[in-house]
Amino acid sequence: LAKTTQPISMDSYEGQEVNITCSHNNIATNDYITWYQQFPSQGPRFIIQGYKTKVTNEVASLFIPADRKSSTLSLPRVSLSDTAVYYCLVEPEDSWGKLQFGAGTQVVVTP
Amino acid sequence: DGGITQSPKYLFRKEGQNVTLSCEQNLNHDAMYWYRQDPGQGLRLIYYSQIVNDFQKGDIAEGYSVSREKKESFPLTVTSAQKNPTAFYLCASTPDGSEKLFFGSGTQLSVL
Repeated sequence: LAKTTQPISMDSYEGQEVNITCSHNNIATNDYITWYQQFPSQGPRFIIQGYKTKVTNEVASLFIPADRKSSTLSLPRVSLSDTAVYYCLVEPEDSWGKLQFGAGTQVVVTP
Repeated sequence: DGGITQSPKYLFRKEGQNVTLSCEQNLNHDAMYWYRQDPGQGLRLIYYSQIVNDFQKGDIAEGYSVSREKKESFPLTVTSAQKNPTAFYLCASTPDGSEKLFFGSGTQLSVL
C-alpha cells in the first residue's frame, strides 16, 4: 500500500524559507500531489497541488522531479503563523479514492 | 455559503452507547471521507464513499459504521465495539477523482 514519508518535525526562524520533502515511491501515473496545512483543533486546509515540475501560488511553491517519487513544498519567508503540521497526500495506485494521510511534518517557527 | 458542516462540535459517549456524528456538505461533491485524529498524530482513514449507497472501509473501520443514503450526507456511527473512541473526528469531501479535500471543523468525541 502506497504511503508517504515526511520528516517528523522542522524548526525555522521567521523570514527563512522552509522546504519539506515528501517521498511517495508508489505514486500512480496519473495522480497529483497535494499538500495541506493543519492548525490544532482544525481540519486540514489545502495549500497547493501539482503533477510535475513546479507549481507556485500565493502561499507556497511545489517542486516535483521528473520521476515524481518525491516532492518538496517550499514556504518562502515564514512567519509565526506558519507554525502548523503539513501533510502531503497522494492516492495509492492500487486503491482508487482511498486518500490516506501520512504522519505529517510539524513546522515550528520562532522569532 | 458552500461548505461542509460537522455536528456536534463536542460529543460525550457513555460506556456501551452508540453515538452518531453528522457530516453534511452542499458542495455537490461526490466523494466523502471520515478521518480520526488522536492527539499529536496524523489523520487515519475510517471510511470513505465515492458515490451514493456505496462506501468502503479505510484503515481503521472496526467499531465504526457509516451510511450514504444522500449525496450531501455521510454520518458516522461510533459503536460500543469501539473501545477507545476518544479522538478528533474529521469529515471531508471532494469532487470525484480529485485529491483536493475540503474539511469540516471536526467533532471532538470523549468518553464519560
